[in-house]
Amino acid sequence: GQQLNQSPQSMFIQEGEDVSMNCTSSSIFNTWLWYKQDPGEGPVLLIALYKAGELTSNGRLTAQFGITRKDSFLNISASIPSDVGIYFCAGQAGARQLTFGSGTQLTVLP
Amino acid sequence: EAGVTQFPSHSVIEKGQTVTLRCDPISGHDNLYWYRRVMGKEIKFLLHFVKESKQDESGMPNNRFLAERTGGTYSTLKVQPAELEDSGVYFCASSQVAGVGGELFFGEGSRLTVL
Repeated sequence: GQQLNQSPQSMFIQEGEDVSMNCTSSSIFNTWLWYKQDPGEGPVLLIALYKAGELTSNGRLTAQFGITRKDSFLNISASIPSDVGIYFCAGQAGARQLTFGSGTQLTVLP
Repeated sequence: EAGVTQFPSHSVIEKGQTVTLRCDPISGHDNLYWYRRVMGKEIKFLLHFVKESKQDESGMPNNRFLAERTGGTYSTLKVQPAELEDSGVYFCASSQVAGVGGELFFGEGSRLTVL
């Protein structure tokens, strides 16, 4: 089946630093999504990307849909304590169900 | 408006026992999904209901798992008999529209621990 390789697995950063995480796949996806799971909560959609090369921002978050359609990255600028959580990428190919990455655990140190 | 709710939030059972997880989707959402995350791994698709019909159950691991959605409202996921490898967090999600553009709204998850 389709698989996504998400990295890094975990990150420890200082408050105010920028963060970058990415997902790669051997398969092509038509849609890339980024979710965040706060502690004790379910994943919540942050950004959706529908076109190769698309760059989309949501506040301090920026995500890009790779030109090859096999990768995507998420950047968080000027991190704050509430950015703590697990970030998941997800890809969708055609009418198939979403394929999720294994998550990036982000810890923001004061 | 209430979000997706799941019950129980945590269940600890012994191998061989039965557990039933419940999901109440957002009112009016015809699409209901079950996912599972085994510790540290990816969130994996289990199945998708459209109203009361199983649209896609390709992710169900084996016949120890039974999902139902009678009446097209809430859904249950029963594991019988539970095995150690069934431990993980079971997420339910619902959406108004299926496929591209249909945003999934997730519940908080039901953590299952099989001893």
